[in-house]
Amino acid sequence: AQKVTQAQTEISVVEKEDVTLDCVYETRDTTYYLFWYKQPPSGELVFLIRRNSFDEQNEISGRYSWNFQKSTSSFNFTITASQVVDSAVYFCALSEAVTNTGNQFYFGTGTSLTVIP
Amino acid sequence: DTGVSQDPRHKITKRGQNVTFRCDPISEHNRLYWYRQTLGQGPEFLTYFQNEAQLEKSRLLSDRFSAERPKGSFSTLEIQRTEQGDSAMYLCASSLRRERETQYFGPGTRLLVL
Repeated sequence: AQKVTQAQTEISVVEKEDVTLDCVYETRDTTYYLFWYKQPPSGELVFLIRRNSFDEQNEISGRYSWNFQKSTSSFNFTITASQVVDSAVYFCALSEAVTNTGNQFYFGTGTSLTVIP
Repeated sequence: DTGVSQDPRHKITKRGQNVTFRCDPISEHNRLYWYRQTLGQGPEFLTYFQNEAQLEKSRLLSDRFSAERPKGSFSTLEIQRTEQGDSAMYLCASSLRRERETQYFGPGTRLLVL
């Protein structure tokens, strides 16, 4: 079973619109970590945020914000006032603390965001 | 540049040939990971090292694949007798051992097997 599901394969928005990327995860561990990465066309995965399962406080960083809800096993990512430079593939990832001692990441299939000028 | 580096960035080879990729992690990071990413998919875990010890291997890592990290610094990933299905982006990441540290990724090596 997929541990991380990103149901939105592709999203297109017009510049300055807000956009939310969904991430739903599945784990039996009570301690786990969630991540978002950005992969621009150049290919390198760029770290955006890390969240542990005990910290449900939402976070805002500039135009980016993240909504973590354990009750629905979701960790959604919102870009406010999108810009063309936000065009990329965005990946959500899960790391389990108990069953996964190696700290390998489980990635979703990614959401390709295109921001149209 | 103190990030993760990978070499080469691109490799084209003929089926049946052997290829080797190199990864240089961030210098103070003692954990190193290899992932494979195919088109339209997220990265999939292959193997990881803590210092020079290879501690976990995915079932994706067939016996044609071997990885080493001889001195706990750089790592190599070798694919023997390449097949067309090996065509993918091979990503390397590194992290500190402290609990659930963030993994930082290199630019990847894109392999095309003809």
